[in-house]
Amino acid sequence: DAGVIQSPRHEVTEMGQEVTLRCKPISGHNSLFWYRQTMMRGLELLIYFNNNVPIDDSGMPEDRFSAKMPNASFSTLKIQPSEPRDSAVYFCATEGPDREGSRNTIYFGEGSWLTVV
Amino acid sequence: AQKITQTQPGMFVQEKEAVTLDCTYDTSDQSYGLFWYKQPSSGEMIFLIYQGSYDEQNATEGRYSLNFQKARKSANLVISASQLGDSAMYFCAMRERSGGYNKLIFGAGTRLAVHP
Repeated sequence: DAGVIQSPRHEVTEMGQEVTLRCKPISGHNSLFWYRQTMMRGLELLIYFNNNVPIDDSGMPEDRFSAKMPNASFSTLKIQPSEPRDSAVYFCATEGPDREGSRNTIYFGEGSWLTVV
Repeated sequence: AQKITQTQPGMFVQEKEAVTLDCTYDTSDQSYGLFWYKQPSSGEMIFLIYQGSYDEQNATEGRYSLNFQKARKSANLVISASQLGDSAMYFCAMRERSGGYNKLIFGAGTRLAVHP
């Protein structure tokens, strides 16, 4: 079964450029989370959606960051303009029934490794 | 206030031995969930095990078990018969309700090194 799918896996971009990270959640999962991981700050929750609606974006660091979920099978995280301090691993995670269907759990994508130079 | 505390930045264990990774949490909710994730050097976050606050039995998943002590607010991960492939970062996380929806909050992680 397909897990959470993120793209790109790796991106190197120049400061000032727009970056778009993409996520395809597990089918049937109603909640989607974007996390950022850095050495200094660990895993930070940026934003989460429930049934495609943004619920809490208090973790989004600045107006340069925006996220959308136009439908149940797709979400984007955009940084415009990008800065070197945005370099991090960005994870998408979704919540829904586990593989046995017995309880809700949260699964992560493989992450998008962003380097802004 | 820190919600999830992992006091061991790094741990070493001999192959085939058991190891316990500590996790304490802080919440006033009655209903919550505790997760452990493994992050190998390749970077992905792999779900290992889950314990619900109302679960009476400690969760087990193969070589992983969760030592859940509710009164102490601890949820330690026990890995039995360690393997070299267990070397990774391990994160404890708590799911709590916020604004009527679930959020997952992570600890700082413990780096485990398994020696042959």
